[in-house]
Amino acid sequence: QVQLVQSGAEVKKPGASVKVSCKASGYTFTDYGVSWVRQAPGHGLEWLGWISAHNGNTNYAQRLQGRLTMTTDTSTTTAYMELRRLRSDDTAVYYCARDIGSSWPNWFDPWGQGTLVTVSS
Amino acid sequence: DIQMTQSPSSLSASVGDRVTITCRASQGITSHLNWYQQRPGKAPKLLIYAAFSLQPGVPSRFSGSGSGTEFTLTISSLQPEDFATYYCQQAYTTPLTFGGGTKVEIK
Repeated sequence: QVQLVQSGAEVKKPGASVKVSCKASGYTFTDYGVSWVRQAPGHGLEWLGWISAHNGNTNYAQRLQGRLTMTTDTSTTTAYMELRRLRSDDTAVYYCARDIGSSWPNWFDPWGQGTLVTVSS
Repeated sequence: DIQMTQSPSSLSASVGDRVTITCRASQGITSHLNWYQQRPGKAPKLLIYAAFSLQPGVPSRFSGSGSGTEFTLTISSLQPEDFATYYCQQAYTTPLTFGGGTKVEIK
């Protein structure tokens, strides 16, 4: 079955970086994209950006431009999301999701289980 | 950015009730509207894509409608497993944006 399995919880200090992985299985990885979404505690969903697993094209939310990098490794069917210069308001559960769009972000199914990133001094 | 506004933000309903959730976009998004269900402590799950297409495996009591700026998600007969938070999401332009969510609680 189609499945996305994310790396484990992280605790980081302000100013540090975090890299979350998302291992995909059960489908042809390069036929889809991967979107990343986060959810701060008790809050709603925020789209962070998208990467095409076909050609590596990316589209990031402008408010995170300069701090965010998304990559894929097609040999291991794994997507990565790195966020730099972490702040306390980056504390959230980070989700990866298979995106139906291989050339443009669209809808997300299924989602990974989520990775809690806590930023605290 | 396109703002997505959901109403109500929460509602109380009983098993068997018909429930309607509304999502309004700050500008026209044609039919680029998707709906998700999120149970507590779980990842969201896709219910409806492209405004009215039911994701395979999702019960037929869920339906979506609308186009342009106004959309609805309807649950025809609420079941115990449907108590959750529902989010709309526009895919017309980036950044993709979500509504604030509608929490459906047991009356």
